[in-house]
Amino acid sequence: KAGVTQTPRYLIKTRGQQVTLSCSPISGHRSVSWYQQTPGQGLQFLFEYFSETQRNKGNFPGRFSGRQFSNSRSEMNVSTLELGDSALYLCASSLGTTAFSGELFFGEGSRLTVL
Amino acid sequence: AQSVAQPEDQVNVAEGNPLTVKCTYSVSGNPYLFWYVQYPNRGLQFLLKYITGDNLVKGSYGFEAEFNKSQTSFHLKKPSALVSDSALYFCAVRDNRDKIIFGKGTRLHILP
Repeated sequence: KAGVTQTPRYLIKTRGQQVTLSCSPISGHRSVSWYQQTPGQGLQFLFEYFSETQRNKGNFPGRFSGRQFSNSRSEMNVSTLELGDSALYLCASSLGTTAFSGELFFGEGSRLTVL
Repeated sequence: AQSVAQPEDQVNVAEGNPLTVKCTYSVSGNPYLFWYVQYPNRGLQFLLKYITGDNLVKGSYGFEAEFNKSQTSFHLKKPSALVSDSALYFCAVRDNRDKIIFGKGTRLHILP
């Protein structure tokens, strides 16, 4: 069974641009959550989707948004990029009705560098 | 505020010795606790979880964790460390709003 797939793996953007990251969950998983990982802040929860509905949201500005499609694939978008948005963005999928009833399966991440 | 603390940024252990990676939590209600491991340039991998039941939880790769309600701790342990256990370890807790909170991570170095 294929794991969680994130694309692109690496990308470089400049300040003010926007970026869209994609996540394909494990087949049959309907819950997808997103995390930002930085050396200073560690792992921070961005948002979680289940059946195309956002069920939970972390403490990030409105520049960070996401969505989930009917096939459970998810995208996150960051608009008006800032230098501080440079991070590894991780997506995780879960079989349960919430992201946290059981284990999360993580993708390998999308590493965003903002210049 | 609900939180997870991993008091050690780095732990060094000689190969073959027992290892402990510490985690304490602060959450209202009954906690759901998790340990994840991250190898270089990879995503996180699930190791084990505590939901309810026995305080000693066994997980992948020979790891186990002990839930201690009175000390609000969930320390990760392994009886005999391997060099391949060297990685970044994260403790996590589900809070009462169903959000997951991760600790800052502890880098484990197993010395040959």
